[in-house]
Amino acid sequence: EIVMTQSPATLSVSPGERATLSCRASQSVSSNLAWYQQKPGQAPRLLIYGASTRATGIPARFSGSGSGTEFTLTISSLQSEDFAVYYCQQYNNWYSFGQGTKLEIK
Amino acid sequence: QVQLVQSGAEVKKPGSSVKVSCKASGGTFSSYTISWVRQAPGQGLEWMGRIIPILGIANYAQKFQGRVTITADESTSTAYMELSSLRSEDTAVYYCAVVLPHDSGWFDPWGQGTLVTVSS
Repeated sequence: EIVMTQSPATLSVSPGERATLSCRASQSVSSNLAWYQQKPGQAPRLLIYGASTRATGIPARFSGSGSGTEFTLTISSLQSEDFAVYYCQQYNNWYSFGQGTKLEIK
Repeated sequence: QVQLVQSGAEVKKPGSSVKVSCKASGGTFSSYTISWVRQAPGQGLEWMGRIIPILGIANYAQKFQGRVTITADESTSTAYMELSSLRSEDTAVYYCAVVLPHDSGWFDPWGQGTLVTVSS
């Protein structure tokens, strides 16, 4: 099983600032990585697939990068609606998720 | 655009089984792969298994092998996830999701989730 590790567990950032979230895989997953956003009481929402491709309707302030074992989700200028929990997921070898990063208002 | 609507919340006794449904609309059900993911209270996401309806093939995460059964009814565009021998640790929200682009990929969209509570 591929283990996905996200850091940090909690990130405190002020609105308008940049947020950088990290995800590491225990072995290479190539570019077979997705990012999801989840707000309380809601289902996860796809943001990024293929490590760097934004899903339909996702604002350009969200960007993904990386390949192999190291990945990053960057939110360039945080809006109030961006404060949520973010999960990475590998789909190179079945599926596994990171434990999540909670993005909170500073 | 496909949408997934899941069945309502359930309360079950330890040792019993639960069957959650996931009805698809707005697309060609037989062309999709459906995965099931669960989320315990305050915890992260955990993949349980998937089904390829057109092939009738289901695959399960090792953790749930022998306890979960995923099926699909193409005539009603509905997928089902049945979990048996329930214990308190199975209390969670259960989600279904479409796997894109084919049978191995990202999950989009997701159902709204079904809360299953296991309590004596």
